[in-house]
Amino acid sequence: SQQGEEDPQALSIQEGENATMNCSYKTSINNLQWYRQNSGRGLVHLILIRSNEREKHSGRLRVTLDTSKKSSSLLITASRAADTASYFCATGTIQGAQKLVFGQGTRLTINP
Amino acid sequence: DAGITQSPRYKITETGRQVTLMCHQTWSHSYMFWYRQDLGHGLRLIYYSAAADITDKGEVPDGYVVSRSKTENFPLTLESATRSQTSVYFCASSGTGGPYTEAFFGQGTRLTVV
Repeated sequence: SQQGEEDPQALSIQEGENATMNCSYKTSINNLQWYRQNSGRGLVHLILIRSNEREKHSGRLRVTLDTSKKSSSLLITASRAADTASYFCATGTIQGAQKLVFGQGTRLTINP
Repeated sequence: DAGITQSPRYKITETGRQVTLMCHQTWSHSYMFWYRQDLGHGLRLIYYSAAADITDKGEVPDGYVVSRSKTENFPLTLESATRSQTSVYFCASSGTGGPYTEAFFGQGTRLTVV
């Protein structure tokens, strides 16, 4: 079974609003990563957070990690139409940090 | 061009036929992966390779064969295609920067088994 599960499965907001997606996982991790997938394309890496980190920022992205709850969140601030995509969390375990296990993704739609 | 490329981008094959999906990367990354993406399942790992001549099963390996004789290539073969193998297949690679490295994905191969 998959390691990560994302919530919500779909999210639709207005341009300029903030979007928050959540990810839960089951086993101990080495790192957690977020990826974006535009329709019909491959996945693109957004941000990586290590298991000993609690928060990380990259531009309009903010990722938090709570290892006690086995959960992470991705916040996109001031959303743009170009942010419309599917977002996936992926976890690397202690036994296999590079062998990423993906969640089912959140489909984000930004309405103009 | 540098990067990771998959071929073909689209493939239609008949049940029972053998089909090979190709993946080539130019970064000399150690790790390479094959995932399949299906509605409702996200991405699931089929096989991965830590280096040339080293491969291991992922979550859903049945019906698939891989090889890695050269670092840059990681072909995926469906020995006898079934309709349940209709999916979008993604190849990915990651480097040797320790455990905290990102994966780079190809554009995907959309395979339809009829």
